[in-house]
Amino acid sequence: DTAVSQTPKYLVTQMGNDKSIKCEQNLGHDTMYWYKQDSKKFLKIMFSYNNKELIINETVPNRFSPKSPDKAHLNLHINSLELGDSAVYFCASSLAGGRTDTQYFGPGTRLTVL
Amino acid sequence: AQKITQTQPGMFVQEKEAVTLDCTYDTSDPSYGLFWYKQPSSGEMIFLIYQGSYDQQNATEGRYSLNFQKARKSANLVISASQLGDSAMYFCAMREGNTGNQFYFGTGTSLTVIP
Repeated sequence: DTAVSQTPKYLVTQMGNDKSIKCEQNLGHDTMYWYKQDSKKFLKIMFSYNNKELIINETVPNRFSPKSPDKAHLNLHINSLELGDSAVYFCASSLAGGRTDTQYFGPGTRLTVL
Repeated sequence: AQKITQTQPGMFVQEKEAVTLDCTYDTSDPSYGLFWYKQPSSGEMIFLIYQGSYDQQNATEGRYSLNFQKARKSANLVISASQLGDSAMYFCAMREGNTGNQFYFGTGTSLTVIP
């Protein structure tokens, strides 16, 4: 049973397109996150939701919009894709948002913008 | 200032030997948690070990142990009896405070285990 799943695993698209990445967790966690990992492996948090409510919104272009239909899902929609959006995007979840709560990551989605 | 610093971009270790991956952190919050993750070449992020700021003892999980030196603000990962499958990127991370909403990652250390 997959704890945190993401689809698709690979996404290749042209500049200017709009795409979505889906994330689901079956751990019963309240908090979900999106991270971007660049080509140098640096991980940067983008968004965090707790029980469908946005709690972290880092400085990312407003072309990126997270949507949480329920606490088990956090999707990432990206408009007008640019070359610099190419990266691996990770979804993660944790029980709540406390300092002791471990984040569990999905397998990642490798986005390539041509 | 960097919240998490990993000064070793790359490390090599002989199979069956122990290796220490360095991590220092910066916080003025007395309440925080420290984490290590492994990222093999397949790309997934695997949780390894956790240490809380109030924990009296160093955390251990199988072959992984965390050398927690609070006064020095260091949380080094020790892998004993290295195996070829330990070759991967290793990330140190921290969550601050009771809400802990923000999760900071280091830049990672690439470990290669030599047969």
